[in-house]
Amino acid sequence: NAGVTQTPKFRVLKTGQSMTLLCAQDMNHEYMYWYRQDPGMGLRLIHYSVGEGTTAKGEVPDGYNVSRLKKQNFLLGLESAAPSQTSVYFCASSYSGRVTGELFFGEGSRLTVL
Amino acid sequence: AQKVTQAQTEISVVEKEDVTLDCVYETRDTTYYLFWYKQPPSGELVFLIRRNSFDEQNEISGRYSWNFQKSTSSFNFTITASQVVDSAVYFCVLSESNQGGKLIFGQGTELSVKP
Repeated sequence: NAGVTQTPKFRVLKTGQSMTLLCAQDMNHEYMYWYRQDPGMGLRLIHYSVGEGTTAKGEVPDGYNVSRLKKQNFLLGLESAAPSQTSVYFCASSYSGRVTGELFFGEGSRLTVL
Repeated sequence: AQKVTQAQTEISVVEKEDVTLDCVYETRDTTYYLFWYKQPPSGELVFLIRRNSFDEQNEISGRYSWNFQKSTSSFNFTITASQVVDSAVYFCVLSESNQGGKLIFGQGTELSVKP
């Protein structure tokens, strides 16, 4: 079982470049999330989705856009990357938003912006 | 506002010692969930336990135990007879019932278990 898969796992960008991180889950989960993790900190929520075709802002949404065109995929886009966006990005999914079950996380994507 | 505080940034113990990781949370909600996640050096996040605000029964699972006390807003985690494989960053996490599953993470406690 693949669970939650993130691509790419590593990426180096120059300031101003754009890129998209792809998250795919095969568990038929309704809810999907994008978090970022910075050194010495826990994860912070960027954007999330409560179902196909819906997205919402989290705690730190500035500089990012997301799309959920298919239930199994949740894309995170950086239109103009900045050094402050150097981080490890985690995608997660859950069956519902009522937190009766735990979130399932991907393995993370390490992004460096020079 | 909701907040999770893990005062211990790093803990180092010798194998077979017991170790307790502290967690204090703040929330105005009466219905909420608390979690512990483990992040080993490989980087993935591993779910360990979930507790809801109406269940203060403490739990033991193998070498792991959890102490949830609403009166002090604490949700501490103890590893008994620690092993080298327990070395990881441990996160205490809060989620309020009306927040659509959004998680509020503590800063994490890095546990190092030396042989």
